Amino acid sequence: GAVVSQHPSWVICKSGTSVKIECRSLDFQATTMFWYRQFPKQSLMLMATSNEGSKATYEQGVEKDKFLINHASLTLSTLTVTSAHPEDSSFYICSAPGGDFNTGELFFGEGSRLTVL
Amino acid sequence: AQKVTQAQTEISVVEKEDVTLDCVYETRDTTYYLFWYKQPPSGELVFLIRRNSFDEQNEISGRYSWNFQKSTSSFNFTITASQVVDSAVYFCALSPPPGALTFGSGTRLQVQP
Repeated sequence: GAVVSQHPSWVICKSGTSVKIECRSLDFQATTMFWYRQFPKQSLMLMATSNEGSKATYEQGVEKDKFLINHASLTLSTLTVTSAHPEDSSFYICSAPGGDFNTGELFFGEGSRLTVL
Repeated sequence: AQKVTQAQTEISVVEKEDVTLDCVYETRDTTYYLFWYKQPPSGELVFLIRRNSFDEQNEISGRYSWNFQKSTSSFNFTITASQVVDSAVYFCALSPPPGALTFGSGTRLQVQP
């Protein structure tokens, strides 16, 4: 089974509502997790680095007030898309380094497809 | 800054043909990792390989092989005897530890029966 799990795998919401996506490391602890966004037919772009117990680090051009990240425990990071609009419709994927950072090993979640009507 | 270039946007081959997907990268880091992922229509990323910057040995795994050339900053991926199930988008990616990836733009591979 997957070692990083995302929930929900897909969600449809109305414009103006907020949507929360969870990313869990199932059998290891992750002090750092990464959130990516992928628009249709495009590549994955890093949105932010989620750090357990401290503020997330956002990439340039990503609105931190719109994409709230909470990494409250060593196995869970959440991404909340606040006041979602159709242009936020995308595939959101998280990843976490496994074990020793220096091995470069990474685990990806299954992804969450958001559609904003 | 890091950059990954996959110049081939889309490749179409007939089953059983060999196909090579190109990947060229730029980084100032001396320690880094290179990856290849497969993304089928379902969207989930399928890990294919991870290679660190100190290991230039080529690797073969079944029908898949990878050619890492540090001198040309390339990490090319070859599928031999392609199959319809190989149809997907393939991403090359680069990271320093601990793992924020820079992805290439992806190459869509279509294998026709």
